[in-house]
Amino acid sequence: GNSVTQMEGPVTLSEEAFLTINCTYTATGYPSLFWYVQYPGEGLQLLLKATKADDKGSNKGFEATYRKETTSFHLEKGSVQVSDSAVYFCALRDQGAQKLVFGQGTRLTINP
Amino acid sequence: GAVVSQHPSWVICKSGTSVKIECRSLDFQATTMFWYRQFPKQSLMLMATSNEGSKATYEQGVEKDKFLINHASLTLSTLTVTSAHPEDSSFYICSAEGDKREQYFGPGTRLTVT
Repeated sequence: GNSVTQMEGPVTLSEEAFLTINCTYTATGYPSLFWYVQYPGEGLQLLLKATKADDKGSNKGFEATYRKETTSFHLEKGSVQVSDSAVYFCALRDQGAQKLVFGQGTRLTINP
Repeated sequence: GAVVSQHPSWVICKSGTSVKIECRSLDFQATTMFWYRQFPKQSLMLMATSNEGSKATYEQGVEKDKFLINHASLTLSTLTVTSAHPEDSSFYICSAEGDKREQYFGPGTRLTVT
């Protein structure tokens, strides 16, 4: 079945550091890939997505590229801020399917 | 736009009682809503897919008689945990599907069964 694996957290960085959160997936078809962010006390919000190979999703300085050859969708940001502290979830949705399959989440803490 | 609310945000109940959790799409209509369960430091696990006016579709291993889902309108779905036990304690999250098949998530409900 489909699955998503994220790097284990928690991740702690200093402000302005470079961020990478690894995400790899297993899928039988050609899924769409997503990154969601959950700020403390709030619901998950879509951060970015990519629907086909080599697509790059970007939002709020975050980027992720759909790499079919390595089945990866790593999240990156060049210079993190304290306000980026949250839990980040990688997810996939199979073609034509409704349901999302989530990774285990990575808690990110940015220190000033 | 695309706000989803859940009520209550936190509930404590005694073992053997039932608890109802509401999920509302506040500014859009949602034919489809989803219910997830999240254990501490773990991923969201889909419990069921709820379609307005029809029976919910439960994921494998989820007891439909224990977790009753009702999607009575295009803006409201409810999850009732019947005869709750301590092992049902968890964080329950709903989402509603809006335009372009994007899911919008509620803030979650923490259930503690004593």
